[in-house]
Amino acid sequence: AQKVTQAQTEISVVEKEDVTLDCVYETRDTTYYLFWYKQPPSGELVFLIRRNSFDEQNEISGRYSWNFQKSTSSFNFTITASQVVDSAVYFCAPLGWSGATNKLIFGTGTLLAVQP
Amino acid sequence: NAGVTQTPKFQVLKTGQSMTLQCAQDMNHNSMYWYRQDPGMGLRLIYYSASEGTTDKGEVPNGYNVSRLNKREFSLRLESAAPSQTSVYFCASTRDLSSGANVLTFGAGSRLTVL
Repeated sequence: AQKVTQAQTEISVVEKEDVTLDCVYETRDTTYYLFWYKQPPSGELVFLIRRNSFDEQNEISGRYSWNFQKSTSSFNFTITASQVVDSAVYFCAPLGWSGATNKLIFGTGTLLAVQP
Repeated sequence: NAGVTQTPKFQVLKTGQSMTLQCAQDMNHNSMYWYRQDPGMGLRLIYYSASEGTTDKGEVPNGYNVSRLNKREFSLRLESAAPSQTSVYFCASTRDLSSGANVLTFGAGSRLTVL
């Protein structure tokens, strides 16, 4: 079974600050995937990134970057030069692949508030 | 493209009433899911259907039933609503989550209040 901890319940930053959202996961599977989803104030859930356990390279997409460290079971998400539009709840979710896993379990989420 | 459609978007019930939340997807996805979202609790999986004809319990199945009516539709039923079931409910679907190659597509959510 997978478990994920997002210890930061709420984070408040001022626009243009960098911010890192932490995600620590637990899984017994040797092969697994990690997801991040965003939920803006409008309420919809938007997929941001998927990473598999074989690939430990960091990923950068514009102002977003993800740091995957297998040794510490962490998959942290950094927003550089934050903007008000980044205000949302962000969810991390691990998916273990043991050949019979079909469900995605989410963390409790981190509410990010970016102040102008 | 409609994606995942949930109905109704809002519903108010009295304790003990029953209702069904409907979910339909037009992406030919095999797997469908029902989550609930409560403040401070994140998204919790209620039930899921890995493929047409199968359903399985998630983290919080008590008080709910589901039906995978066909490949497109997956309904969630509250037989006797309780105030603890006040929540926002999300339906999601994907082609196949077992390999991790696909991602969940979510509906817009259904806000349910039980008085």
